[in-house]
Amino acid sequence: DQQVKQNSPSLSVQEGRISILNCDYTNSMFDYFLWYKKYPAEGPTFLISISSIKDKNEDGRFTVFLNKSAKHLSLHIVPSQPGDSAVYFCAASARGAGSYQLTFGKGTKLSVIP
Amino acid sequence: ETGVTQTPRHLVMGMTNKKSLKCEQHLGHNAMYWYKQSAKKPLELMFVYNFKEQTENNSVPSRFSPECPNSSHLFLHLHTLQPEDSALYLCASSQSGTGGEAFFGQGTRLTVV
Repeated sequence: DQQVKQNSPSLSVQEGRISILNCDYTNSMFDYFLWYKKYPAEGPTFLISISSIKDKNEDGRFTVFLNKSAKHLSLHIVPSQPGDSAVYFCAASARGAGSYQLTFGKGTKLSVIP
Repeated sequence: ETGVTQTPRHLVMGMTNKKSLKCEQHLGHNAMYWYKQSAKKPLELMFVYNFKEQTENNSVPSRFSPECPNSSHLFLHLHTLQPEDSALYLCASSQSGTGGEAFFGQGTRLTVV
């Protein structure tokens, strides 16, 4: 049973527009959420994170929103650039429970069209 | 360059072979991890080491044997693997006290023939 779900395997967006990647989770013990970006033939690279005490965290073009009641988070990229084309993984951990292990979703492949 | 280096990058091995994957981190972290990524599946956590002690084994078959001689090095010893074990094997490290971002190596693409 997947505890972190990314229901869209792929997403195509025009350059300059907003990309919205979604993630749902089921484990209410999760209190720290991360997004990773992965290019082919490379390992995932950390992008942005959010603690459950916040509902928004922004870093440049990237913003993560957390809706705890819905157990949902999203990553917004604006404006989208062709170099953003990659697979994006949502991950979660239960730091408050003393576990620092990350549970990953299956990923969403983002294609930004020039 | 993430500070986590994995070797080899690619490995092809027969089902009767024994091989080892190596991971080294230069970040001063005290937790290291092995993950497996198979096609169309989420990243699966295999093993966790905190301060050189194995703290998690996610029901991984015994044909995968991890070794962590110190907090900078992690090995995954492989023997009598099956073709379905073909996958990308990723090493990661983190500072366990922060519970935060794990830094990944580039992975070893393993093919079992």
